[in-house]
Amino acid sequence: QKEVEQDPGPLSVPEGAIVSLNCTYSNSAFQYFMWYRQYSRKGPELLMYTYSSGNKEDGRFTAQVDKSSKYISLFIRDSQPSDSATYLCAMSAYSNSGYALNFGKGTSLLVTP
Amino acid sequence: GAVVSQHPSWVICKSGTSVKIECRSLDFQATTMFWYRQFPKQSLMLMATSNEGSKATYEQGVEKDKFLINHASLTLSTLTVTSAHPEDSSFYICSAAPLTGTYGYTFGSGTRLTVV
Repeated sequence: QKEVEQDPGPLSVPEGAIVSLNCTYSNSAFQYFMWYRQYSRKGPELLMYTYSSGNKEDGRFTAQVDKSSKYISLFIRDSQPSDSATYLCAMSAYSNSGYALNFGKGTSLLVTP
Repeated sequence: GAVVSQHPSWVICKSGTSVKIECRSLDFQATTMFWYRQFPKQSLMLMATSNEGSKATYEQGVEKDKFLINHASLTLSTLTVTSAHPEDSSFYICSAAPLTGTYGYTFGSGTRLTVV
């Protein structure tokens, strides 16, 4: 079993819809949780990061972490065609490598006008 | 905000030659930088952790003699793919975080390597 599981999609929604993206994980030592957006042939761009359980909101984006269920979510409100990208969840725990990130496979999102 | 510059963004090289990729933190210092590899429609795979002033830590299965990492200063890490072969063709991405301890690592824009 991979440490981080993420449905690769693709996920297609109409403009203005609420998008829900999710990841599950197995390592209870993970403490830091992040969501990245990656456009084709570009490096990932950090959208949100949270520590431990709880919610965090930034504009149209809301990140949720439920450590008891080992489940994290990213919600995008009023989705726009420019939100079309691959969304990667990432999480980390301290190791000999420092706080190296463990990534999900990424979910491909398409927002249609 | 924290900016990481990666160069070159795209390189084609002949089989058997070596290629160097640079990763620079432009507006912050980073004692640790990470190198990832990404295949099409796959997630990022951590290759190695680059530590300023010491040897890099490689993940299991990554050949340290093939992927040479040098972290000579707090703002620069380099990855050299030695004796490149077509199977080394991939998207290589570096990341770094400021010393202040934020764990939202910033990524470079990536380098697409094609070995012919």
